[in-house]
Amino acid sequence: EAGVAQSPRYKIIEKRQSVAFWCNPISGHATLYWYQQILGQGPKLLIQFQNNGVVDDSQLPKDRFSAERLKGVDSTLKIQPAKLEDSAVYLCASSLGFEGRPQHFGDGTRLSIL
Amino acid sequence: KQEVTQIPAALSVPEGENLVLNCSFTDSAIYNLQWFRQDPGKGLTSLLLIQSSQREQTSGRLNASLDKSSGRSTLYIAASQPGDSATYLCAVVSGNTGKLIFGQGTTLQVKP
Repeated sequence: EAGVAQSPRYKIIEKRQSVAFWCNPISGHATLYWYQQILGQGPKLLIQFQNNGVVDDSQLPKDRFSAERLKGVDSTLKIQPAKLEDSAVYLCASSLGFEGRPQHFGDGTRLSIL
Repeated sequence: KQEVTQIPAALSVPEGENLVLNCSFTDSAIYNLQWFRQDPGKGLTSLLLIQSSQREQTSGRLNASLDKSSGRSTLYIAASQPGDSATYLCAVVSGNTGKLIFGQGTTLQVKP
């Protein structure tokens, strides 16, 4: 079974620029999560989708972050404009459902803001 | 608000030693608890998932226990190997949306 695919693996941008990340979940997984992991910390949930609907985006900085999951499969996460504190690894995860199901993670996108 | 704490932040042991990683959480109303492994530059690999009704789970040399009433979980690694060197993360699901709340992790180094 193919795992969760993310691209790009690395991205370096200057502050105030925009950036987008892409995630392709495991086939058939209805639930998709985006997490932010700052160096030395555990991941923090940014947004959760069930199919193409948003379940939880309470910790998404909506003034600069946006995410979509068109057709309930692939998802993109965008930051515009980026700030220095956005430097982190952005992890995508998927699961069959969100009731007691394990989440499977991609390798993440490492974002550096100059 | 659920908070997850892992102690110690870092641990270094000689190869072959048995070791225990600790995880504590503030709200005992959890659906399940997961232990993950993270290698440098990689995503998270799920090691063990314990449902709220279970007390422990085992996989090979790994054994995870859960005590909801005290808000604690332990990950026991038997006969540690250099290949076990990684960061180990504990996470709980405490709401009905499946959101994982993570601890900050324990970075383990097993020396040959």
